[in-house]
Amino acid sequence: KAGVTQTPRYLIKTRGQQVTLSCSPISGHRSVSWYQQTPGQGLQFLFEYFSETQRNKGNFPGRFSGRQFSNSRSEMNVSTLELGDSALYLCASSPGLNEQFFGPGTRLTVL
Amino acid sequence: SQKIEQNSEALNIQEGKTATLTCNYTNYSPAYLQWYRQDPGRGPVFLLLIRENEKEKRKERLKVTFDTTLKQSLFHITASQPADSATYLCALMNTGFQKLVFGTGTRLLVSP
Repeated sequence: KAGVTQTPRYLIKTRGQQVTLSCSPISGHRSVSWYQQTPGQGLQFLFEYFSETQRNKGNFPGRFSGRQFSNSRSEMNVSTLELGDSALYLCASSPGLNEQFFGPGTRLTVL
Repeated sequence: SQKIEQNSEALNIQEGKTATLTCNYTNYSPAYLQWYRQDPGRGPVFLLLIRENEKEKRKERLKVTFDTTLKQSLFHITASQPADSATYLCALMNTGFQKLVFGTGTRLLVSP
């Protein structure tokens, strides 16, 4: 089975711009979660989608949003980028509520 | 406040020894706890899951213990190898299954 894929792998944006990141989960996995990883804060939960519905949400501002499509693929969007949004954004899929299968991440740099 | 703490200092050990990593938590009622391995530039990889009613779980050279009284999990790698060098993250799922919360990880360095 193919693993979780994320595109793009690297992205450079400037403050004020917006960005869309994409995630394709493992076939058959209906749950997709997004995390932000920074050296200072570690891995922080952004949101989780299941069958196209946002099931859980972390403590991030409304600039961070996401969606899931009928084929379970997911996108997350960050609007009005700030310098502090520079991070590794990780997507994980899961067949249920247990182990998460992570993708390689998208490294976002905001200048 | 809720906290998950892992030793932020790297753990250096010699090949063949047992590595023990600690995960402490406060103000959580975990349904289960997981351990992940993360290599530089890559996403975490799931290793083991232990439920709140389990004391110990093993998988090959890995062993996890879970003490809900001490609010602590220990992660052991026996007969460690240089290939075990990585950052190890603990994560817990609170009862109510809201979200998986990760510790900041401990870097393990195994020297030949």
